[in-house]
Formats: sequence, C-alpha cells, structure tokens
Amino acid sequence: SQTIHQWPATLVQPVGSPLSLECTVEGTSNPNLYWYRQAAGRGLQLLFYSVGIGQISSEVPQNLSASRPQDRQFILSSKKLLLSDSGFYLCAWSVRGGRAGETQYFGPGTRLLVL
Amino acid sequence: KQEVTQIPAALSVPEGENLVLNCSFTDSAIYNLQWFRQDPGKGLTSLLLIQSSQREQTSGRLNASLDKSSGRSTLYIAASQPGDSATYLCAPPPDTDKLIFGTGTRLQVFP
Repeated sequence: SQTIHQWPATLVQPVGSPLSLECTVEGTSNPNLYWYRQAAGRGLQLLFYSVGIGQISSEVPQNLSASRPQDRQFILSSKKLLLSDSGFYLCAWSVRGGRAGETQYFGPGTRLLVL
Repeated sequence: KQEVTQIPAALSVPEGENLVLNCSFTDSAIYNLQWFRQDPGKGLTSLLLIQSSQREQTSGRLNASLDKSSGRSTLYIAASQPGDSATYLCAPPPDTDKLIFGTGTRLQVFP
C-alpha cells in the first residue's frame, strides 16, 4: 500500500531563517506531487506541483521554492522565512496521468510557526 | 478562476441528526468534485469523489450530490455521530492536477 511521510511534524523558526520541509512517498512510482499551505482561518492553497523529477510548477508568487530531486521526494524550501509563512503545510500525491475518478492522497502535515 | 464557498462555516449538532453541508462553485467546467475530511491538526482524507458525468455518490452514511449546471454540491451525513466531528472540505478541480478547496465546514457532533 502507498504511504506518504512528512517531516518534521512541527517547526518553530525565527524570521529570516532558512526552511526545508521534506515529503516522501512509498509504494508508488512516478506520482504527481503537491505542496499546499493552510493558513489560520483560510482555506487550503496549492503552492507547487510536480509531474516528474526536476519539473516544478508554481501556483503563487511567494517566498518559497520547491524541488524534486528524486521520483518520490518533494522538498519545500525558503532562504529567509517571513512571518506570513506560518501555517500548516500539506504534501499530497496522485497517480500521474490520473483520470477523473482518482483523487489526491495527503500526508500528515507540518505545522510551521515563524516568530 | 474557480471560487468555492462552503455553507455553513460551522455547525454544532447533537448526535443522531441528519446533516446537510453545502458547497457552491463559480466555474462549472470541473473535472470532478471531491469531498474531504480534515481532523484537527491532521492531513486530509478523501471521502467521496463524484465524476463530472455523475450526479451523486454514496459511501456508508455519506451521500454527495452534484449539480454542475448550478455550481452546487451537497454532502449529506445521516445519523451523525461524535466521530464525524471534523472539518469537511469540497474541491471542484478544473483539471486533474489541481485541487481548489473551499474554506470548509467545521462540524461538531456532541453526545
């Protein structure tokens, strides 16, 4: 069966510090991978998605970047965190070339607090 | 740009009640419509997926309907239980790669 891991689970970082969040998927190959952010009192927002190694699409301009160094590894980074980067970050995967009857599967999330 | 609204924003009911959660969206050219559940501080779990050609889907006590032309979906929860307490999110994506979420309905079912 497929599983998706995220770490760390919780992170407290000072403003201006770097960030690296990691997401890995097991039990599947060539997945689509996604990073979402859920800010307090707001809905889930798609940040990045990837259809393959080194292929990253950004949905919103921001202080963050994403990389996919391996097929089942997705990393979210920042060189200098802002207060507004605080939130709950979720990674998800779906079957590449998925059809209308297939959904996305979400990881447990990382709660980031920037102080 | 797809905009998704969920009503009510919050709901608190005694167990046993039948519930109706509403989702409306502005762009009817959707790929499918998905309902998710999110427990506090956790990731999302897929509940139901209605393909754009379908009108409803059922899973246990959950039934979701879809009216694409009017831009609406409804999630029915029958005989609610305390374990149903969570935030329910709908997502009518314009294509298979991108989910666009509503802000959710926060449900609390008390014994």
